Amino acid sequence: QVQLVESGGGVVQPGRSLRLSCAASGFIFSRYGMHWVRQAPGKGLEWVAVLSFDGRTPFYGDSVKGRFTISRDNSKNTVFLQMTSLRPEDTAVYYCAKEEVRYGERFAEYWGPGALVTVSS
Amino acid sequence: AIQMTQSPSSLSASVGDRVTITCRASQDIRNDVGWYQQKPGKAPKVLIFGASTLQSGVPSRFSGSGSGSDFTLTISSLQPEDFATYYCLQDYTYPWTFGQGTKLEI
Repeated sequence: QVQLVESGGGVVQPGRSLRLSCAASGFIFSRYGMHWVRQAPGKGLEWVAVLSFDGRTPFYGDSVKGRFTISRDNSKNTVFLQMTSLRPEDTAVYYCAKEEVRYGERFAEYWGPGALVTVSS
Repeated sequence: AIQMTQSPSSLSASVGDRVTITCRASQDIRNDVGWYQQKPGKAPKVLIFGASTLQSGVPSRFSGSGSGSDFTLTISSLQPEDFATYYCLQDYTYPWTFGQGTKLEI
């Protein structure tokens, strides 16, 4: 069965960097786009980034563009989110999600349990 | 970025009720909308994609409709396990954008 497990969360000071990982299993990882979505405490969902199956085409949300970088290692079935210049407003649970395309429609089919990132001095 | 305006932000209902949640996009997005359910402390779960296609394993009391800029999620007869927060998500173009969420409460 499909499993996604995020890791690398924790407490970090403003202005510092952190890298999240998402280990995938149960599907052919190299065939699917992967997303990151976050949720600040008590708030709604915010889409963060996506990376194509081959790692060539990233897209970012406006609030993280230029600070966050999504990448993947298809040999290790892992997608990463490198976060730099972190701000208190980046505090959130970060979810990775596997993209599916069915009948020409894209959606986030499977999600990990999330990793909490707290940006605080 | 495309804005998704979701309403209502909260909704009180009872078991057996029929409820409707709406999302309006800031531009025409064809039928590129999904609906997601989230329970406290859990990851979201996809219910509907392509505006109206029910994801495998999702009960048939959930349905979606709409195209262009106006979309609707309907739960035909609320069950106790349906009390959760619901989000629409446009996947027409990047950046994908979520609605603000609707908290469905007893």
